[in-house]
Amino acid sequence: NAGVTQTPKFRVLKTGQSMTLLCAQDMNHEYMYWYRQDPGMGLRLIHYSVGEGTTAKGEVPDGYNVSRLKKQNFLLGLESAAPSQTSVYFCASSTRSGRRYEQYFGPGTRLTVT
Amino acid sequence: AQKVTQAQTEISVVEKEDVTLDCVYETRDTTYYLFWYKQPPSGELVFLIRRNSFDEQNEISGRYSWNFQKSTSSFNFTITASQVVDSAVYFCALGNSGYALNFGKGTSLLVTP
Repeated sequence: NAGVTQTPKFRVLKTGQSMTLLCAQDMNHEYMYWYRQDPGMGLRLIHYSVGEGTTAKGEVPDGYNVSRLKKQNFLLGLESAAPSQTSVYFCASSTRSGRRYEQYFGPGTRLTVT
Repeated sequence: AQKVTQAQTEISVVEKEDVTLDCVYETRDTTYYLFWYKQPPSGELVFLIRRNSFDEQNEISGRYSWNFQKSTSSFNFTITASQVVDSAVYFCALGNSGYALNFGKGTSLLVTP
């Protein structure tokens, strides 16, 4: 099992460019999450999904969109990147309901917006 | 309101010293979960422990131990006989309501030879 994988691992964007981060999990988890980590901060939830075709906003959703077309994949999109979106992005997945806090994290994607 | 407080931003110890990382949490829920994660310089998040609110037993795993005290809303983490490989950022996290894990800001531990 690969667990949770993220593509790409690193990316540099110019202000205004767009990109999509891909998260994939092979654990058949229902729930998936996107967090961002900024220096000196813990992780903050951007968006999450409780099942295929469903998404919801987390604590810091502005400037991001997500899609969950397949159960195993969760995409995070930046339509018009801004320097404030320079961060490390972590994807996570978990089983449903009572065990939703047992989240398995991917290795992270380091994004720099210049 | 901040739900998880890790008051120690940075700690530096010499190898073989014991070190305790503090975590204070805030919640009104009776059912909640507490976690510790390690983030080494390579950047990934490594799960260390999960505790639910109904289990106040302390836990020991090798050189690691955790002290959970509901009376003081604390879930502290002690490394005994620290090693250079323990150098990392350590995060305490709370799962109580909603779907997010609420992370503290982390404590950066540096262990020098």
